[in-house]
Amino acid sequence: SQQGEEDPQALSIQEGENATMNCSYKTSINNLQWYRQNSGRGLVHLILIRSNEREKHSGRLRVTLDTSKKSSSLLITASRAADTASYFCATDALSGGSNYKLTFGKGTLLTVNP
Amino acid sequence: KAGVTQTPRYLIKTRGQQVTLSCSPISGHRSVSWYQQTPGQGLQFLFEYFSETQRNKGNFPGRFSGRQFSNSRSEMNVSTLELGDSALYLCASSLAGGRRTEAFFGQGTRLTVV
Repeated sequence: SQQGEEDPQALSIQEGENATMNCSYKTSINNLQWYRQNSGRGLVHLILIRSNEREKHSGRLRVTLDTSKKSSSLLITASRAADTASYFCATDALSGGSNYKLTFGKGTLLTVNP
Repeated sequence: KAGVTQTPRYLIKTRGQQVTLSCSPISGHRSVSWYQQTPGQGLQFLFEYFSETQRNKGNFPGRFSGRQFSNSRSEMNVSTLELGDSALYLCASSLAGGRRTEAFFGQGTRLTVV
């Protein structure tokens, strides 16, 4: 079953605008990661936020994590046409033991119009 | 540093055949995971290997198997292929399989079963 659920499923904006995507999950986690995927190709790692962190920045990306609400958000500022892609959140469950298993949401399809 | 390399990139197989996919992780990474991505089910965890041992397995039939070699390279095998096995198969590597490290993905192998 999907641990993370992204919201919205699809988002269309104009270049220069900000894009916000949300992710909710069900169980306690060690960390949460955001990935980008272009047209069914490989996943590009964007950012990892640990369960004891509340906010993290990387370039035009800002990620927040609220463990009490079991949710995270990804903000892309000043979007560009090249940001058009699907965005996924992936969680690493706290109860996962020593192994490493990511559970993905179904993703948000972001379209940035020039 | 070279990224995660998956070969081949594309495969077309006939129902009933078997297939082997290969993944070379980032140098120094010891954990390799495999995921299946389909439009209907999204990204689903297949299995994870660490130091040549399978540590976790997803909810897939026994036709899906894998292994990891002493140099951390991994292979997955699917026997008796079915049409529903058509998917993008993604491999991810992480430093030590620890819960606080990023997982980096390859470009994937797109398998089409006809």
